[in-house]
Amino acid sequence: DQQVKQNSPSLSVQEGRISILNCDYTNSMFDYFLWYKKYPAEGPTFLISISSIKDKNEDGRFTVFLNKSAKHLSLHIVPSQPGDSAVYFCAASDLGNDMRFGAGTRLTVKP
Amino acid sequence: EAQVTQNPRYLITVTGKKLTVTCSQNMNHEYMSWYRQDPGLGLRQIYYSMNVEVTDKGDVPEGYKVSRKEKRNFPLILESPSPNQTSLYFCATALAGGWNEQFFGPGTRLTVL
Repeated sequence: DQQVKQNSPSLSVQEGRISILNCDYTNSMFDYFLWYKKYPAEGPTFLISISSIKDKNEDGRFTVFLNKSAKHLSLHIVPSQPGDSAVYFCAASDLGNDMRFGAGTRLTVKP
Repeated sequence: EAQVTQNPRYLITVTGKKLTVTCSQNMNHEYMSWYRQDPGLGLRQIYYSMNVEVTDKGDVPEGYKVSRKEKRNFPLILESPSPNQTSLYFCATALAGGWNEQFFGPGTRLTVL
């Protein structure tokens, strides 16, 4: 069972506009959420995270929003740049030792 | 330079021929883990290790073995590979515990014929 779901396999946006990537989860025990970015032929790299005690975390152009009641989080990239084109994975943990990943969303930022 | 290395990066093999994918880290991290990435399924955890001689199953451990005899190394062993183990494999490490930021290796593309 997929406890972390990214329902959009792909997203295309224009350079300079906002990219919004969505993620839903089913396990109410999840307490910590992360976003990873993956370029072709490389391993995923950590982007940003949020604890369940917060509803927003910002790091430069990247902001993650968490809505615990809806079991939903989103990653906003503003402004989007061509170098942001990658696959983005949402991940969740119950502060134990395993982490559950979504299937990923491929973001394409067009110049 | 902090890094996670995996070898080999690419491997084509045949059903039943035992193989090992190595993973090594130089960050002195306690936690190490193996994932497989498949289309539409994202990353699924195979095994993880909290420290030397401590390993545990993840979501999809069937058909795999691991060992953690040294802190820096965490090899993934396929005793009798089958075609459904054709996948992209990633090793990852974390400072302490798998719940926080993990550092991933570059991946190993395995094809089992």
